[in-house]
Amino acid sequence: EDQVTQSPEALRLQEGESSSLNCSYTVSGLRGLFWYRQDPGKGPEFLFTLYSAGEEKEKERLKATLTKKESFLHITAPKPEDSATYLCAVQARGGSYIPTFGRGTSLIVHP
Amino acid sequence: KAGVTQTPRYLIKTRGQQVTLSCSPISGHRSVSWYQQTPGQGLQFLFEYFSETQRNKGNFPGRFSGRQFSNSRSEMNVSTLELGDSALYLCASMADSSGNTIYFGEGSWLTVV
Repeated sequence: EDQVTQSPEALRLQEGESSSLNCSYTVSGLRGLFWYRQDPGKGPEFLFTLYSAGEEKEKERLKATLTKKESFLHITAPKPEDSATYLCAVQARGGSYIPTFGRGTSLIVHP
Repeated sequence: KAGVTQTPRYLIKTRGQQVTLSCSPISGHRSVSWYQQTPGQGLQFLFEYFSETQRNKGNFPGRFSGRQFSNSRSEMNVSTLELGDSALYLCASMADSSGNTIYFGEGSWLTVV
């Protein structure tokens, strides 16, 4: 069974204080790993898709990296508007392609 | 390009009633899936439709059902509502069966009283 574990559950940062969110996964052959951002009361917003170990993708202050067992979402010099819940999901090769989601990391950035 | 559109955004129902939620996927997307999100359980997969056929189903009771129309629009229905059905219901669309990225709508907030 595919599993996704995100840590920490919650993270508080000061504006400008860089940090990383972790997504550990077990899957029977990785097709893709996804990162989403979710604001309160809204649907998840797509950020990145990573397909193979060593791959990296960036968007503004966010950088996602992937190894064979985990993914990191690095946040550089965060701003209060980066406050949100960040969700990680994995999609297995073959099978149904329905992704398995982690429980998310709730990030609060204080000004 | 318009995103995934869900209606209604908010609704309040009484226990025992039924509810129908609607979803219009991104233009050209043929796969539509539905998720239930609650603080305690996180995102849980309900079902997926592709070309008007239910292709995958999660572990939810038969009170939860859905369908997809020829224009890829989808509806989900929950009958005999229970208090525990209060949740954010999310619709997501995907381009095709090759497992591309899924994109979510803003969700429908259902409160059962």
